Amino acid sequence: SQQGEEDPQALSIQEGENATMNCSYKTSINNLQWYRQNSGRGLVHLILIRSNEREKHSGRLRVTLDTSKKSSSLLITASRAADTASYFCATRPAGAGSYQLTFGKGTKLSVIP
Amino acid sequence: SQTIHQWPATLVQPVGSPLSLECTVEGTSNPNLYWYRQAAGRGLQLLFYSVGIGQISSEVPQNLSASRPQDRQFILSSKKLLLSDSGFYLCAWESGQPRAFFGQGTRLTVV
Repeated sequence: SQQGEEDPQALSIQEGENATMNCSYKTSINNLQWYRQNSGRGLVHLILIRSNEREKHSGRLRVTLDTSKKSSSLLITASRAADTASYFCATRPAGAGSYQLTFGKGTKLSVIP
Repeated sequence: SQTIHQWPATLVQPVGSPLSLECTVEGTSNPNLYWYRQAAGRGLQLLFYSVGIGQISSEVPQNLSASRPQDRQFILSSKKLLLSDSGFYLCAWESGQPRAFFGQGTRLTVV
């Protein structure tokens, strides 16, 4: 079963604008990860945020985590055409013996030059 | 450095034919290994994961099976393919850190 759900499903913005994607999940987690997928390729890890963190930055990426609402957001600032891709959140249920890494359905981002 | 190899990149198979997709990892030991399937424009569905040689956990009952004959080798198989098995298959590994590394995927079309 899929643990995370991203929204919106698709997002189209102009180059230079900010893009915000959201993810909701169902069970308690130790951390939440965001991945990027270029069309027809494998996923690439972007950033991880731990359950005791509320916000994390990496370059133009800003991730927030609200464990009380079981939700996370990914903000890409000053978007570029090269940011065009699908973005997925991934979670694993907290607890020993939990190995299933499950992904949401993704947000397809189109950045228009 | 660690690398993951997944092949073939594309595959067209007739209904009822067998399937074998292979994934190998280099540069790490005792990784967790995963097989995912992605339908067109959709999210990733976890099919199988393995935490050690011969240890396979299935997430979705289906026409597929997986095996891990060696520490860094993960194989996805089917005895008889169905049309619904078409999709983009991704292998991934992680070891020591909660961060998965993906292969480039195999696009399977069952005709």
